[in-house]
Amino acid sequence: AQTVTQSQPEMSVQEAETVTLSCTYDTSESDYYLFWYKQPPSRQMILVIRQEAYKQQNATENRFSVNFQKAAKSFSLKISDSQLGDAAMYFCAYRSRSNAGGTSYGKLTFGQGTILTVHP
Amino acid sequence: DVKVTQSSRYLVKRTGEKVFLECVQDMDHENMFWYRQDPGLGLRLIYFSYDVKMKEKGDIPEGYSVSREKKERFSLILESASTNQTSMYLCASQQRYQPQHFGDGTRLSIL
Repeated sequence: AQTVTQSQPEMSVQEAETVTLSCTYDTSESDYYLFWYKQPPSRQMILVIRQEAYKQQNATENRFSVNFQKAAKSFSLKISDSQLGDAAMYFCAYRSRSNAGGTSYGKLTFGQGTILTVHP
Repeated sequence: DVKVTQSSRYLVKRTGEKVFLECVQDMDHENMFWYRQDPGLGLRLIYFSYDVKMKEKGDIPEGYSVSREKKERFSLILESASTNQTSMYLCASQQRYQPQHFGDGTRLSIL
């Protein structure tokens, strides 16, 4: 079974600065997806960024980028030019790409979450 | 935009009651999921469904059941609510191989 670990329960950053959230995972599979989701106080989970394991290039979405280290099983999220609206709980998640039995491809395994505070 | 609607934002029930949490999606997605979110534990999968009337247990199915009679609706049922089922419940839907889309969550309190 896959596991996802976020070792930072809380992080804080000054507005306009850069912060990195850590995530490690454990899997025996070679092909999979990794995600970062954001959950603001409004509670709706919002997809921030997605990485496909077979792609060596790190994914980037505007101010959000990842550092994907497949051999180390590490998947960190970097937020540049932090804004007050970035304050939220951030979850790292893993999904298998395999289709064993036709039902496993959708299941997400989440980390414990990191609460990010942004100071003005 | 995909919309996943959960019937209640907050719900208070009593121990032993049968509780229904409803989730509706408007994008004809095949897959639907129910998660439970607890502090320090992240989200844990309770059940998921990959087609009408089809369901599969997730990681923590004990004390729960589900129903999917129509493609757009996925219900989570607490057969006999207990205080340890007080939690935030999140529903999600997904088209095959695409990211999951989540509802706003139901904060359920069992007294």
